[in-house]
Amino acid sequence: EAQVTQNPRYLITVTGKKLTVTCSQNMNHEYMSWYRQDPGLGLRQIYYSMNVEVTDKGDVPEGYKVSRKEKRNFPLILESPSPNQTSLYFCASSYGGTGAQQPQHFGDGTRLSIL
Amino acid sequence: TQLLEQSPQFLSIQEGENLTVYCNSSSVFSSLQWYRQEPGEGPVLLVTVVTGGEVKKLKRLTFQFGDARKDSSLHITAAQPGDTGLYLCAGPALRRSARQLTFGSGTQLTVLP
Repeated sequence: EAQVTQNPRYLITVTGKKLTVTCSQNMNHEYMSWYRQDPGLGLRQIYYSMNVEVTDKGDVPEGYKVSRKEKRNFPLILESPSPNQTSLYFCASSYGGTGAQQPQHFGDGTRLSIL
Repeated sequence: TQLLEQSPQFLSIQEGENLTVYCNSSSVFSSLQWYRQEPGEGPVLLVTVVTGGEVKKLKRLTFQFGDARKDSSLHITAAQPGDTGLYLCAGPALRRSARQLTFGSGTQLTVLP
């Protein structure tokens, strides 16, 4: 089954404790991206990747890091989480070099609470 | 200010009523996508509109892309409780990187039985 898998689904942690949210897709998609969803703001893009070893900042990259060492994986790293990063996070993937114009396949989300 | 403005933000209607949701921008988009999101899940694509003036139908849902490719609408005929969800429009704005996807803030639709 074609899918985007995020882990964990839920996480409560404390300020400053490094964490990683994993994202894996099995569709051989080139384009992958991370979003955060906050009430009234829709989804805002954090980082995106056009292919292996190619990553770029989205609209809200501050406080986040990503890596794309393999085509299927695109982890989101919070080196020193702060309470304003409490949010619902989604990973998405799509086919092709013009990935933003292609249908996005989303994971089921990771709800992150930082105390 | 959001690049894509959606209205209304919330909409609660009775089963059987018709409704229209709007997605507006001052920027031109090469294409626009519409998604529906249900609680606890990621957004799921409904349709992509590409050409200015294009109209696409998906059963009781009708999507239209404005002639100038700056706006889009979603019309639902005879809404059903199963249509309840968060409706999001999204697209790559031409004045920004075509590799970046911008989402609207969404319309939360509730259809009451």
